[in-house]
Amino acid sequence: KAGVTQTPRYLIKTRGQQVTLSCSPISGHRSVSWYQQTPGQGLQFLFEYFSETQRNKGNFPGRFSGRQFSNSRSEMNVSTLELGDSALYLCASSQDRTQYFGPGTRLLVL
Amino acid sequence: DQQVKQNSPSLSVQEGRISILNCDYTNSMFDYFLWYKKYPAEGPTFLISISSIKDKNEDGRFTVFLNKSAKHLSLHIVPSQPGDSAVYFCAAISMNSGGYQKVTFGIGTKLQVIP
Repeated sequence: KAGVTQTPRYLIKTRGQQVTLSCSPISGHRSVSWYQQTPGQGLQFLFEYFSETQRNKGNFPGRFSGRQFSNSRSEMNVSTLELGDSALYLCASSQDRTQYFGPGTRLLVL
Repeated sequence: DQQVKQNSPSLSVQEGRISILNCDYTNSMFDYFLWYKKYPAEGPTFLISISSIKDKNEDGRFTVFLNKSAKHLSLHIVPSQPGDSAVYFCAAISMNSGGYQKVTFGIGTKLQVIP
């Protein structure tokens, strides 16, 4: 099976812009979770989608949003970007208790 | 409130010796634990997991030990190899109020295996 894929791999934006990141889960996996990784902060949970419904949400402001499509592909959107949003954004899919991660999207906000 | 703690930010071990990575947790509702390995510029890779009903799980060179009374788990790598040099994340799973699983990660320990 193909692994989790994320696009784009790298992105540079300026403050105030918005960005959309995409994630394609492993075939058959219906759960998709998003994480933000910054130095010294580990993996901070953003949200989880299952069958097009958000069923878990972390402690991030409303500028961070996501959605899931009927084919389980997921997108996350960050509006009004801030410098502090620069991070590696990771997507993970699962069908049981183990999550499998994609390579991440490295976002740099200038 | 850091519910999963990896108190050692880094660890250096000689090739061939044992690497022991530690993780402590505070939430007694965690019932499943995982270890992930992460290389720079890549996503975390699943290594090994353990259910709270067990105290040990082994997979090749990797063994995870769980001490529920101490709320502590550890990952043992024997023998350590240079390719094991990476950041290791401990993760714990509980169920949220909606009955869905929630995964909490530690901040990671950077392992360096010296040839």
